[in-house]
Amino acid sequence: AIQMTQSPSSLSASVGDRVTITCRASQGIRNDLGWYQQKPGKAPKLLIYAASSLQGGVPSRFSGSGSDTDFTLTISSLQPEDSATYYCLQDYIYPPTFGQGTKVEVK
Amino acid sequence: QVQLQQWGAGLLKPSETLSLTCAVYGGSFSGYYWSWIRQSPGKGLEWIGQIDHSGSTNYNPSLKSRVTISIDASKNQFSLRLTSVAAADTAVYYCARKTTVTKSFQSWGQGTLVTVSS
Repeated sequence: AIQMTQSPSSLSASVGDRVTITCRASQGIRNDLGWYQQKPGKAPKLLIYAASSLQGGVPSRFSGSGSDTDFTLTISSLQPEDSATYYCLQDYIYPPTFGQGTKVEVK
Repeated sequence: QVQLQQWGAGLLKPSETLSLTCAVYGGSFSGYYWSWIRQSPGKGLEWIGQIDHSGSTNYNPSLKSRVTISIDASKNQFSLRLTSVAAADTAVYYCARKTTVTKSFQSWGQGTLVTVSS
């Protein structure tokens, strides 16, 4: 199975900061990568699909980039409600596999 | 707006069979992959498997020998069976809808905590 490695595992940033989370695949996955946000006790929520396409209803401060093995999720101006854990997911080759998550704390 | 509502037993003993069902409201059953995903503290998020409206399935090789996903299109429901459960199967189980074009899980159930304990 393809391994997805996220970094950092956690971060703490202030309101208004620019935040970047990276995800690296153990082999090329084209752009078959999504980003999900999960808050405690809730199901994950789709933010970005196909590496860089913003899901409808998601604030434009979220953006994704990358292809092949290296991907990035950027929050351009961190807001208090962005406190959550973020996961990448590859669906290029079965089985789909998730990164281990990045916990974002808003100071 | 599609909604997924899931239910099933939350407490099992080792060697028993886990059984969960997910009902789909407000959307077409065809044209999507209907999936099960679980989340445990030790292993994070893990894709279990999926089924399409025709009954075609794909399973995670790590669970394939114990997993069955089935569909009842007449009721807009799909189900998960996982046999011979052990403590390592303790997790929150989610049903989810995956689009075939974008390969993204756009809609999720509310999650069911399943605990395996003697």
